[in-house]
Amino acid sequence: AQSVTQLDSQVPVFEEAPVELRCNYSSSVSVYLFWYVQYPNQGLQLLLKYLSGSTLVKGINGFEAEFNKSQTSFHLRKPSVHISDTAEYFCAVSERFGNEKLTFGTGTRLTIIP
Amino acid sequence: EAGVAQSPRYKIIEKRQSVAFWCNPISGHATLYWYQQILGQGPKLLIQFQNNGVVDDSQLPKDRFSAERLKGVDSTLKIQPAKLEDSAVYLCASSQKASGGQSSYNEQFFGPGTRLTVL
Repeated sequence: AQSVTQLDSQVPVFEEAPVELRCNYSSSVSVYLFWYVQYPNQGLQLLLKYLSGSTLVKGINGFEAEFNKSQTSFHLRKPSVHISDTAEYFCAVSERFGNEKLTFGTGTRLTIIP
Repeated sequence: EAGVAQSPRYKIIEKRQSVAFWCNPISGHATLYWYQQILGQGPKLLIQFQNNGVVDDSQLPKDRFSAERLKGVDSTLKIQPAKLEDSAVYLCASSQKASGGQSSYNEQFFGPGTRLTVL
């Protein structure tokens, strides 16, 4: 079984400042890693994913994340945030050779301060 | 390409009543998922279908929840009778058929969800 921990439930950041949203996972098997974004009253949208290869992955809207196997982390970063980045962000894992179901963290609410 | 459609978007019922949610996945997507997202938590998988067969329903409370995907396309999730703790957003997602391989993954596309309030 897998689990995902997002320690920060809320992160306020000033506009144009950098941000890092933390994600740690636990699994007894090899996993794929994901970040999803959820805007108010909308479904989840995939930001980026790590399947294999380079540990630094780039996604949409200027976000990137780095997979660190030794620390079992997959932190999400953006060098300069905008008001439009205000949303809930979810980290998720899926077994590499499983049925592709996602196990999500509890989410981090990112609030951009003008 | 049309996305995943869900209806209704909002539903308010009293406890012990029954309710049903409908999902229409993206055309051609063989795999369909229902997730429950309780306020302040991440989505939790309830049931996964591949075509019209159940792949995983280990976290579905089968005493009150049921789901079907009769023709391998649309799906319905039902709760009967509803409890207060069933208040949540119910998300439907779909993906293409799993193709396997070490570095392949079929992205799940999510619908807007149905927000259920049980009073």
